[in-house]
Amino acid sequence: EVQLVESGGGLVQPGGSLRLSCAASGFTFSRFWMHWVRQAPGKGLVWVSRINSDVSITSYADSVKGRFTISRDNAKNTLYLQMNSLRAEDTAVYYCARGYCSGGSCYRNGMDVWGQGTTVTVSS
Amino acid sequence: QSVLTQPPSVSGTPGQRVTISCSGSSSNIGSNFVYWYQQLPGTAPKLLIYKSDQRPSGVPDRFSGSKSGTSASLAISGLRSEDEADYYCAAWDDSLSAVVFGGGTKLTVL
Repeated sequence: EVQLVESGGGLVQPGGSLRLSCAASGFTFSRFWMHWVRQAPGKGLVWVSRINSDVSITSYADSVKGRFTISRDNAKNTLYLQMNSLRAEDTAVYYCARGYCSGGSCYRNGMDVWGQGTTVTVSS
Repeated sequence: QSVLTQPPSVSGTPGQRVTISCSGSSSNIGSNFVYWYQQLPGTAPKLLIYKSDQRPSGVPDRFSGSKSGTSASLAISGLRSEDEADYYCAAWDDSLSAVVFGGGTKLTVL
C-alpha cells in the first residue's frame, strides 16, 4: 500500500525549532518530487516547500524561506522539514505529499498521495 | 489573501451540475497546469484533476476541469451528497517560484 506517515509535530515556544519527518512506503521514494503543505486551523491549504528526487532542487514559500529547510534521505525513504525560528503563524497541520506521476510523465507540482498530517502548535 | 481566487462557497441539489471558478494571472494559471483537490471534512486532500483537465485513475468522470487564459474551472455533474467538501485549485507561479493554492471553496449539497 502506498503510504506517507508524518511525525514530529508538537507544542513549541515561539523562536523554537522542530523537525518533521515523513516516512514513505509502498513506492520507489527516490523517484518522486516531494512536498510539504500546511493548513492552519479552519483555514485553507498553503504550500510550504518542495524537493526533487536527487536533492538538487528545493523551493520554499516566501513565508518560510530562511527559516525552514526541506531535505530527504532516499536510503531511508524519509522526507524531512527542519523548522527554526518558529512563529505563532506557523501553527498548522503539516502534510507531506508526493509529486504526481502518470504514464511515464511527472507533474511535479501536482500531489497525489498525502499523509494524515502532523500538528504543530507554536505558543508560549 | 490567496494568489488564486475562488468563491468561498457554492451549493447545489443532488443531480445538479455545479462549477467552481479559480482566477489567477499570467504567471500562474496563464502559463502552468492547474490542479484541483477535494478535501472531505477531517481528511487529507485528494487529487481530482491534474494537467488542468485530466483525471487520475479512480476519479469519477463526474468531475471535469478546464482552463482558459488565466482562469480555470472545476465542474461536478450529477451532484451527490458525498461531494460535500472543500475544493482547492493550485498551480505553479513563475514569479513567486512557488506552488500557489486558491483559498478554497466549500461545496454544500442541499
